[in-house]
Amino acid sequence: SQKIEQNSEALNIQEGKTATLTCNYTNYSPAYLQWYRQDPGRGPVFLLLIRENEKEKRKERLKVTFDTTLKQSLFHITASQPADSATYLCALDINSGYALNFGKGTSLLVTP
Amino acid sequence: SAVISQKPSRDICQRGTSLTIQCQVDSQVTMMFWYRQQPGQSLTLIATANQGSEATYESGFVIDKFPISRPNLTFSTLTVSNMSPEDSSIYLCSGAGEPTDTQYFGPGTRLTVL
Repeated sequence: SQKIEQNSEALNIQEGKTATLTCNYTNYSPAYLQWYRQDPGRGPVFLLLIRENEKEKRKERLKVTFDTTLKQSLFHITASQPADSATYLCALDINSGYALNFGKGTSLLVTP
Repeated sequence: SAVISQKPSRDICQRGTSLTIQCQVDSQVTMMFWYRQQPGQSLTLIATANQGSEATYESGFVIDKFPISRPNLTFSTLTVSNMSPEDSSIYLCSGAGEPTDTQYFGPGTRLTVL
């Protein structure tokens, strides 16, 4: 069956450092992979989308890599800030459509 | 981008009753979806809401339990029927479509069934 795995343990880092979150998947050939941010009591907010033919994408302090051979995506937040503290979700398309399968998410805590 | 609102934001219901959740999008979207997020878990797709026709349900979800309507491009409802405590969850509506593949989520409806 299709599986999406993210670091189950919370990631604690110091302000100013780079946070790196991992998303691994199995039994999947996704057309694209997305990263979302979710704050407590709120719906997910879209951050970045990377397609199967792209290796890297950047947006301000965010960078995503996508390795379809390793079946892995890495999500980086550079110069992290306490405001970046949230749960980050990896999501893959279902059958190349708009519907998504989500990983369980990784909780990030950035301390001053 | 699209802004999505949901009503109610939360509710506490008795076992055996039903609750209808409304989802409104401020602009037209091609697709609308309903997800469930149980405590400590990630989002699970319940169904795709199809305009003017029956919703497409994912494995493990059935129309009798989760009837869905989408009368137009910007509005959808999800009903949780004959509720039990196991239905306690956050229910999220989302919209997606051209020109991007991204999804926009509503704030969610937190349902507690006693």
